[in-house]
Amino acid sequence: GQQVMQIPQYQHVQEGEDFTTYCNSSTTLSNIQWYKQRPGGHPVFLIQLVKSGEVKKQKRLTFQFGEAKKNSSLHITATQTTDVGTYFCAGRGVSGGSNYKLTFGKGTLLTVNP
Amino acid sequence: NAGVTQTPKFQVLKTGQSMTLQCAQDMNHNSMYWYRQDPGMGLRLIYYSASEGTTDKGEVPNGYNVSRLNKREFSLRLESAAPSQTSVYFCASSEAYWGEAFFGQGTRLTVV
Repeated sequence: GQQVMQIPQYQHVQEGEDFTTYCNSSTTLSNIQWYKQRPGGHPVFLIQLVKSGEVKKQKRLTFQFGEAKKNSSLHITATQTTDVGTYFCAGRGVSGGSNYKLTFGKGTLLTVNP
Repeated sequence: NAGVTQTPKFQVLKTGQSMTLQCAQDMNHNSMYWYRQDPGMGLRLIYYSASEGTTDKGEVPNGYNVSRLNKREFSLRLESAAPSQTSVYFCASSEAYWGEAFFGQGTRLTVV
């Protein structure tokens, strides 16, 4: 079945440093989504990428979708304490029943030292 | 606008007991999902309903059953709870199967 791998599992940074998390799928994806989950909270949608090579920005966050639509990354510039949480990528397959299923990576827990 | 509402928020069960987790969304979404979240395992799909009247197994369906009662409601049933089902359960919905998912607040279930 479809697998989505995410690295690193944990990342601790000093406030102001940059942060990147990477996501790789075992199969080609129709789209990929990113979610953020604050400690004790529920996942909250950040963005969806659909096109090969797509790059989207949200203030200090930059999202990329690979040319082969099998990998993606989230980069945060100059982290702040409000960025603390777990960042998940979630991929959707391209065919059959797999395109109904959103397969999540295991997430990257970001902690920020003020 | 409440979004996705899950009940209960917390539950402790004894091994072998049964219970139903309730989920309702008020966004007129077509697709609904049940996930479980365990430490270090991310979110794993238990069951999903692409549209009203349909349900399908996800990655970890064993020990669970679901009912899409109507367009708003999607329930998850544990017939005979086991300690391995101790987890945080999230219900989610999306307007269409390709869209962003909106999550409920979660149900923290402990099976002793």
